[in-house]
Amino acid sequence: NAGVTQTPKFRILKIGQSMTLQCTQDMNHNYMYWYRQDPGMGLKLIYYSVGAGITDKGEVPNGYNVSRSTTEDFPLRLELAAPSQTSVYFCASSYSGAGYGNGYTFGSGTRLTVV
Amino acid sequence: DAKTTQPTSMDCAEGRAANLPCNHSTISGNEYVYWYRQIHSQGPQYIIHGLKNNETNEMASLIITEDRKSSTLILPHATLRDTAVYYCIVRASNTGKLIFGQGTTLQVKP
Repeated sequence: NAGVTQTPKFRILKIGQSMTLQCTQDMNHNYMYWYRQDPGMGLKLIYYSVGAGITDKGEVPNGYNVSRSTTEDFPLRLELAAPSQTSVYFCASSYSGAGYGNGYTFGSGTRLTVV
Repeated sequence: DAKTTQPTSMDCAEGRAANLPCNHSTISGNEYVYWYRQIHSQGPQYIIHGLKNNETNEMASLIITEDRKSSTLILPHATLRDTAVYYCIVRASNTGKLIFGQGTTLQVKP
């Protein structure tokens, strides 16, 4: 199993451009999440999904959009990129909300710079 | 979800036990205590979790006080590779969200 795979690993965007961060998991997890982590800070939840066709906002959803058409994929869309979106983005997945062993599985991250 | 309070940083000598405290005084009855760590900007790694009872696995032990208002993560024999940011998180059993705080930066020294 590959676990949680994120692409690309690095990207530089110009202000106003848009892009999609890809996330796919092969563990048949029903829950998936997107976090961002600014330098020296903890992770902030952007959006999450409890199953295909269902998404919900996290702590910092503004400037982002998500979709969940399949169990495996949970892409994050940035429209009109701004310097404040410069961050490392982590995707994660889990079987269910809480109380289950192993918790979340995280991807290796996408480092995004907006200039 | 209940908030947690952790020390900003701690040091530990290699080979000694590392004891990382966490306060969660507003924890509710259905909230679990989770511990994750993040090594050098990698994705966070699950360590252990518990509800009421103390828990132990191959990585660590989790000690939860009887009133559940605080807990301690114990790494029994810390190595240099255990240097990381450790996050204590409490989360309700009926929600899907892990909300991270600032964590504790553990520096294991030779």
